[in-house]
Amino acid sequence: SQTIHQWPATLVQPVGSPLSLECTVEGTSNPNLYWYRQAAGRGLQLLFYSVGIGQISSEVPQNLSASRPQDRQFILSSKKLLLSDSGFYLCAWSSGLADNEQFFGPGTRLTVL
Amino acid sequence: SQQGEEDPQALSIQEGENATMNCSYKTSINNLQWYRQNSGRGLVHLILIRSNEREKHSGRLRVTLDTSKKSSSLLITASRAADTASYFCATDEGNKLVFGAGTILRVKS
Repeated sequence: SQTIHQWPATLVQPVGSPLSLECTVEGTSNPNLYWYRQAAGRGLQLLFYSVGIGQISSEVPQNLSASRPQDRQFILSSKKLLLSDSGFYLCAWSSGLADNEQFFGPGTRLTVL
Repeated sequence: SQQGEEDPQALSIQEGENATMNCSYKTSINNLQWYRQNSGRGLVHLILIRSNEREKHSGRLRVTLDTSKKSSSLLITASRAADTASYFCATDEGNKLVFGAGTILRVKS
């Protein structure tokens, strides 16, 4: 069966510090991968998605970036965090087939102070 | 951008009652999906309805889709306290889903 991992679970970082969030998927090959951000009490905002190694589509211009160094690894990064980067970050995968049902990780709660 | 918009934003009901949540969207879709999120957790897929379907059932869940009105509804029958969560609709735009802002459901026991 497929499993998706995210770490860390929670993170408190000062403004201006770098960020690296990691997401890995087990039990599937060549998944589509997604990074979302969710503000408190709000819906999900798609940040990046990837249909293959090295292929990243950016949905929202910001100071975040994403990379996919391996087939089942997706990394979200920032060189300098802003206060507005605080939120709940969710990674998800899908098979890339017709229905595009997505499977979500447990999320990372990021607080920028 | 958010395509699906849920209504109501929040819903509070007694255990055993039915809960109905609505979703409206703006453009043509391949399918519409409903997800559930417990507080502080990831989303869980509940049910998917394709653009050529009008109604679908899964256990206590019933989803309808009206493509002429660009709307969908999720009905949870005989609600339980464990159904307390946020519910999101999402529309399929090729490789990505576009989520609505969600409905917060509280089921009181």
